[in-house]
Amino acid sequence: DGGITQSPKYLFRKEGQNVTLSCEQNLNHDAMYWYRQDPGQGLRLIYYSQIVNDFQKGDIAEGYSVSREKKESFPLTVTSAQKNPTAFYLCASSSLQGGNQPQHFGDGTRLSIL
Amino acid sequence: AQKITQTQPGMFVQEKEAVTLDCTYDTSDQSYGLFWYKQPSSGEMIFLIYQGSYDEQNATEGRYSLNFQKARKSANLVISASQLGDSAMYFCAMREGSFGNEKLTFGTGTRLTIIP
Repeated sequence: DGGITQSPKYLFRKEGQNVTLSCEQNLNHDAMYWYRQDPGQGLRLIYYSQIVNDFQKGDIAEGYSVSREKKESFPLTVTSAQKNPTAFYLCASSSLQGGNQPQHFGDGTRLSIL
Repeated sequence: AQKITQTQPGMFVQEKEAVTLDCTYDTSDQSYGLFWYKQPSSGEMIFLIYQGSYDEQNATEGRYSLNFQKARKSANLVISASQLGDSAMYFCAMREGSFGNEKLTFGTGTRLTIIP
């Protein structure tokens, strides 16, 4: 079945460590997105990419980095500069064929600080 | 100012009753889209329904319908005949931006609990 795969499901980070969250899609979607969700809040956009080798900052990009070397993959690195990384991270993708196309989401990664 | 406002942090509804989840939005764009997503406790986001700003009729998808009042900038989700499986967080989101640079902005959500 087509879908979005995020891994790992749970991730623990030590102080000063960079960690990378994986996101892979086989929906042939052009656009991919990373969101952060904190308890009691909605989703906030970190980075997004509409085409390979190009990406844009979202509303809360500081302390994060991404790459888009392949259409299917959009990994997110949480760097040591992100001082409060504990959150639920969701990856999404969408077609650009018309404005009514919804974003499809992965199952998320829960990141915690050790 | 909040672009998407969901004023109901939590709601309790009796099984089989209808429920309306409120969503108001703020935009100066003429072309935009409104989405509703369901998030069960497991965390995944499930797309429910979409309404485009130029759509003249309210969107419907099975038990879900969208009460779209453009002049009031509201896009309320109506769930008919609620079921225990409807218990979840519900998020309203708005798509803005030109083609190739579109983003979704989410509200803070409403936690819906269905009572047997």
